[in-house]
Amino acid sequence: QQPVQSPQAVILREGEDAVINCSSSKALYSVHWYRQKHGEAPVFLMILLKGGEQKGHEKISASFNEKKQQSSLYLTASQLSYSGTYFCGTNAGGTSYGKLTFGQGTILTVHP
Amino acid sequence: DAMVIQNPRYQVTQFGKPVTLSCSQTLNHNVMYWYQQKSSQAPKLLFHYYDKDFNNEADTPDNFQSRRPNTSFCFLDIRSPGLGDAAMYLCATSRASGSPETQYFGPGTRLLVL
Repeated sequence: QQPVQSPQAVILREGEDAVINCSSSKALYSVHWYRQKHGEAPVFLMILLKGGEQKGHEKISASFNEKKQQSSLYLTASQLSYSGTYFCGTNAGGTSYGKLTFGQGTILTVHP
Repeated sequence: DAMVIQNPRYQVTQFGKPVTLSCSQTLNHNVMYWYQQKSSQAPKLLFHYYDKDFNNEADTPDNFQSRRPNTSFCFLDIRSPGLGDAAMYLCATSRASGSPETQYFGPGTRLLVL
């Protein structure tokens, strides 16, 4: 079952912060976050494994609440290069490699 | 650089005319995936190979087939393309390590059906 992302779209000024949420009705083993720019392939951002961990990469970080089957992606001090569509991919386990089901995406637009 | 390569980047075919999309990888990953992505939608998994084992998604139409002749190459065959099959087709690879692994995507092939 497809995870649900919110919001569907976000418009920011450079330097502002944003949070993108991803919720699943299934018990999850891991959550994967990707960013896709128009006409390009998705680019990997980070993986979060069950255990409630939080990860960070420069000004982009994420958390995974295993009990709620929710993950949030935090973008701080946004830059123009952050614009794109963000997808969460969820893995409910059952394989040794993490087959993913992607959410519908959140369109992030950063203006100067 | 190790990478996932897809050819062609753009493919135009006629309604009902078979078409083959190709994917190759230099990452030596066990798992190769094919996704269909329509405009403004999420990538939808069609099928994947774990080594030579083929795994079809339950809702993938029979019109879509795949071949993996060796570790490096994987093909997507659309036997009789319909107008609704126009989309971006993404190939991805990952390792199988016992833990969820990053999927690395190729640049995609955009298919147009006339």
